[in-house]
Amino acid sequence: NIVLTQSPATLSVTPGESVSLSCRASQSISTSIHWYQQKSNASPRLLIKYASQSISGIPSRFSGSGSGTDFTLSINRVESEDFSIYYCQQSYSSLYTFGAGTKLELK
Amino acid sequence: EVQLVESGGGLVQPGRSLKLSCLASGFTFSNYGMNWIRQAPGKGLEWIVYISSSSSYIYYADTVKGRFTISRDNAKNTLYLQMTSLRSEDTALYYCARQEYAPMDAWGQGASVTVSS
Repeated sequence: NIVLTQSPATLSVTPGESVSLSCRASQSISTSIHWYQQKSNASPRLLIKYASQSISGIPSRFSGSGSGTDFTLSINRVESEDFSIYYCQQSYSSLYTFGAGTKLELK
Repeated sequence: EVQLVESGGGLVQPGRSLKLSCLASGFTFSNYGMNWIRQAPGKGLEWIVYISSSSSYIYYADTVKGRFTISRDNAKNTLYLQMTSLRSEDTALYYCARQEYAPMDAWGQGASVTVSS
């Protein structure tokens, strides 16, 4: 199975800062990576698909990049509503896997 | 509006069975693949199974293969998850999610399953 390693596990920031969250795959997966946001006590929401493709209704401050094994979710100027857990997920293999998540918290 | 509503969760003893349902509305259910994903209390997301739009392709995670069975009834716009031989480690919130080609673009609110004696 393809293992996704997210780092850091927790990121403490102040509103207005820009951040980058990392997701590394155990093998090359082209751009078959998707990012989700999960707020407390809520269902996950798709943020970015295929590494860098935007999703309708998602604020433009969220962007993604990467290919192969290294991927990044960037948030430009974090807002208070962004404090959540972020997961990456691969669809390169038909046995999908998620990363363990990065928690974005208020410093 | 796209909606996915899970039902059928509850408290069940180890070794017993339980069947979850996911009722879809607001889109053409028969055009989409579907997934079940679970989240143990305080833990991350775990994908457990996928079914294609016509049920031609089904893939299971190793953790549930042989114990869980996914199915769908496109006439009823409903996805199912039959869970047997339940274990304490199956305790989780179970989400159904619509799959648009590859990413999961719509999720239900989840059904809680607790396996305990």
